Amino acid sequence: QLVQSGGGVVHPGRSLGLSCAGSGLTDYSYQIHWVRQAPGKGLEWVAVMSSDGRNNYYADSVKGRFTISRDISRNTLYLQMNNLMGEDTGVYYCATDPGGGFMDFWGQGTVVTVSS
Amino acid sequence: FVLTQPPSVSVAPGQTATITCGATNIGGHSVHWYQQKPGQAPGLVIYNDVDRPSGIPERFSGSSSGNTASLTISRVEGGDEADYYCQVWDPGSDHRMFGGGTQLTVL
Repeated sequence: QLVQSGGGVVHPGRSLGLSCAGSGLTDYSYQIHWVRQAPGKGLEWVAVMSSDGRNNYYADSVKGRFTISRDISRNTLYLQMNNLMGEDTGVYYCATDPGGGFMDFWGQGTVVTVSS
Repeated sequence: FVLTQPPSVSVAPGQTATITCGATNIGGHSVHWYQQKPGQAPGLVIYNDVDRPSGIPERFSGSSSGNTASLTISRVEGGDEADYYCQVWDPGSDHRMFGGGTQLTVL
């Protein structure tokens, strides 16, 4: 089970952090994705951390602004979002990937609203 | 790499719904499908073109060839009403892509 926290309302240009916690989340078995969904829109892949934590990849829309990290001792992954823009508004989900390129378990989602 | 889905599909209960996902040579990629009901997180219904996760009814099936992948739902029930998304992995960039989503309406 993935439990997400963080999110909220933030002004454009500011930063926000999201968390995704789960038993065994950082035990090198899974890649972890972040996926978002703007209000009334479809799913957009945001980023992935490899199972060994050494390789992160980002969608072009967030590259250079968002950073994935993890705390193995807390079984928690983080998404640090900097220089937020209105188009970053939406529900953010974390999801596990057992290595096949698909997302088999999802967090409950957390809402991020970027507004002045 | 753009995945194209029809915005909506409607079907009567008990009939078969087919949702397509189009892209050049999508048959050369593994395609995965997700179901999302209002207010809920997405859930995996088909992976690697044809495989069903544990707990997904046999009524859900997938196929992929050439430029089109398909999700087929047989004997459609009211509870199947949801948005459905296809997804692929581009190993060259390690990026994942989602289709635009298809809203399935059960008449």
